[in-house]
Amino acid sequence: EIVLTQSPGTLSLSPGERATLSCRASQSFCSTCYVAWYHQKPGQAPRLLIYTSTSRATGVPDRISGSGSGTDFTLTISRVEPEDFGVYYCQQHGGSQWSLGPGTRVEIK
Amino acid sequence: QGRLVESGGGVVQPGRSLTLSCATSGIHFSTYSMHWVRQAPGKGLEWVAMIWFDGSNTYYTDSVKGRFTVSRDNAKETLYLQMNSLRAEDTALYYCARDPWSGYFDRWGQGTLVTVSS
Repeated sequence: EIVLTQSPGTLSLSPGERATLSCRASQSFCSTCYVAWYHQKPGQAPRLLIYTSTSRATGVPDRISGSGSGTDFTLTISRVEPEDFGVYYCQQHGGSQWSLGPGTRVEIK
Repeated sequence: QGRLVESGGGVVQPGRSLTLSCATSGIHFSTYSMHWVRQAPGKGLEWVAMIWFDGSNTYYTDSVKGRFTVSRDNAKETLYLQMNSLRAEDTALYYCARDPWSGYFDRWGQGTLVTVSS
């Protein structure tokens, strides 16, 4: 079973600052496996941001980007905006098992 | 854009059963695999189950194997989760989600709350 860990647990940022969220897998994925990223605001369902590690979902602004491979993946928000608060989850996909990380909470100062 | 609407949640005693439904429209249901993902109160997301587009294969997280059954009716564009022998730790908001053939979740419902309590 692949276990995903996310860091930091909480990120507190001012608008305009850069956010770097990390997702690390307990073992390397299969060669055709990837990471997806979701954003969840309180009381709402998660929203897909990134899939196949680097592709933006429809409607996601280009200040949000995904990178990484192997066991280390990153979600970057180049300039945080007030609507970016909430919890961000990474998820591994591509094989026949699916798991999500514990989440990183982003707070806007 | 389409819709996914979960229903069937409620309060149930430990050991009892419950069936959740996810009615969809406008998402080309019959051509996509579907998942159930749950979220315990104040906790993170947990993948629960997956079913192929034609129902021919299903997968479960270890904690629900043998107790939960995922199924679908493509004619009704509806996904189901039969939950038996419910435990307190099954208490969660249950989401259904569409899988665009690559194992991630691109459309989500708003969830239905299951509370297992005596």
